Amino acid sequence: AQSVTQPDIHITVSEGASLELRCNYSYGATPYLFWYVQSPGQGLQLLLKYFSGDTLVQGIKGFEAEFKRSQSSFNLRKPSVHWSDAAEYFCAVVRGATNKLIFGTGTLLAVQP
Amino acid sequence: DTAVSQTPKYLVTQMGNDKSIKCEQNLGHDTMYWYKQDSKKFLKIMFSYNNKELIINETVPNRFSPKSPDKAHLNLHINSLELGDSAVYFCASSQDSGYGYTFGSGTRLTVV
Repeated sequence: AQSVTQPDIHITVSEGASLELRCNYSYGATPYLFWYVQSPGQGLQLLLKYFSGDTLVQGIKGFEAEFKRSQSSFNLRKPSVHWSDAAEYFCAVVRGATNKLIFGTGTLLAVQP
Repeated sequence: DTAVSQTPKYLVTQMGNDKSIKCEQNLGHDTMYWYKQDSKKFLKIMFSYNNKELIINETVPNRFSPKSPDKAHLNLHINSLELGDSAVYFCASSQDSGYGYTFGSGTRLTVV
């Protein structure tokens, strides 16, 4: 079965510190991979995506993610976190003809001043 | 100009009532979706329509019925509402999987 794992339910970082949010997927082939952010009371905003090519992808708001096939991972990173980055972050994958987007369970990011 | 818009944003209703949530996208996408986000923030797909044709129908109670009058609209009708239906419902659209989905801002349904 298709699955996406985000091992960290809740992460707290200090403002200005670096951030890495983990995501692992289980598939035989490379799926399309996405990171979405959900601010409190808001909808989901696409941060970045990967489907082929360069394994390091740049997104909006200074985020980047690296696809590592050997580790089945697609971790999200940011070199310096801002207080406004506090939100829920979801990793997601699409595979198959039905274009079904499957989400991980999310990681809640808190930013300390 | 909102790309994917849902109405209403908030919906409070009593058990047993019937309610509808409307969704419209102006992106020209061919496929639209309904997702349910539960109290633990878990997002699960419910339905997907491609050009007015149902293509994904997950294990959802048949009290939930999607309707797509045209490819820009996908409405969700819920009969005989139950307490467990309380959640945030998101509409989304996509052109194809490689571009990702564009989500609406959600409808928070509270059944009392």
